[in-house]
Amino acid sequence: GEDVEQSLFLSVREGDSSVINCTYTDSSSTYLYWYKQEPGAGLQLLTYIFSNMDMKQDQRLTVLLNKKDKHLSLRIADTQTGDSAIYFCAESSGGYQKVTFGTGTKLQVIP
Amino acid sequence: SAVISQKPSRDICQRGTSLTIQCQVDSQVTMMFWYRQQPGQSLTLIATANQGSEATYESGFVIDKFPISRPNLTFSTLTVSNMSPEDSSIYLCSVGPSSGVMNTQYFGPGTRLTVL
Repeated sequence: GEDVEQSLFLSVREGDSSVINCTYTDSSSTYLYWYKQEPGAGLQLLTYIFSNMDMKQDQRLTVLLNKKDKHLSLRIADTQTGDSAIYFCAESSGGYQKVTFGTGTKLQVIP
Repeated sequence: SAVISQKPSRDICQRGTSLTIQCQVDSQVTMMFWYRQQPGQSLTLIATANQGSEATYESGFVIDKFPISRPNLTFSTLTVSNMSPEDSSIYLCSVGPSSGVMNTQYFGPGTRLTVL
C-alpha cells in the first residue's frame, strides 16, 4: 500500500530556515499536503501542492516537489518559536480516495 | 474552512467500559472521517462516515469495536467499545473534501482518551 516517510526530529535556531523532508511511494499521488499539529491540538492544514507543480510559495512557506524521486519538502523561512510543532506530510490520489499521512516530524525551535 | 468541535476533549475511562465521542461541524459536509493517533504515532484512518449509509471501515477496525453514527450532514459519533489500555489514543474527526481542493481535510481538536 501507500507509504509516506519522514524524519522524526529536526532542531533549528530561531531565525534560521527549517527544511522538513518527506518521501512517498504512490506514483498516482495527485495531491500532497503539509499539516501542522501543535501540542494538544488537532491538525491544521498549512499548504498543499498538486502533482503537476514543482514549487509553491505561501508567505514563509515554500513547498518543493520532485515527482520523479517522489520527494516533497517544506521550507519555513525565518523560523519562529511558534513554529515548534509536529509537521505531517500527506498524499492522496484525488477524487474520494483516502489521504495517507506520514510519520510526522517534530520541529524544535531553539530561541 | 469548516469549524469542527469534538466532545469530550479528554477522558479517563476504566477498562471494559465504552465512550462515545461526538463531532460537530458548522456546515454541511459530505464525508466525515475518524482517525486514531496513538502516542508518538501518525494518524491511522479508522473509518469513513457518509450520511445515510453504513460507515466504511479500514483494515484492522471493526464495527463492533468502533460503531459510528452519521445521522445528518453536520454530526457524527464514534464509540470506542469494551475499552482496554491499548485504546488509549487521541481520536480525531475530520471533514472533506472541501469545495476547494479535493481531499483537503479539516480536523477537529481531537479527544484524548486514557484507559486505565
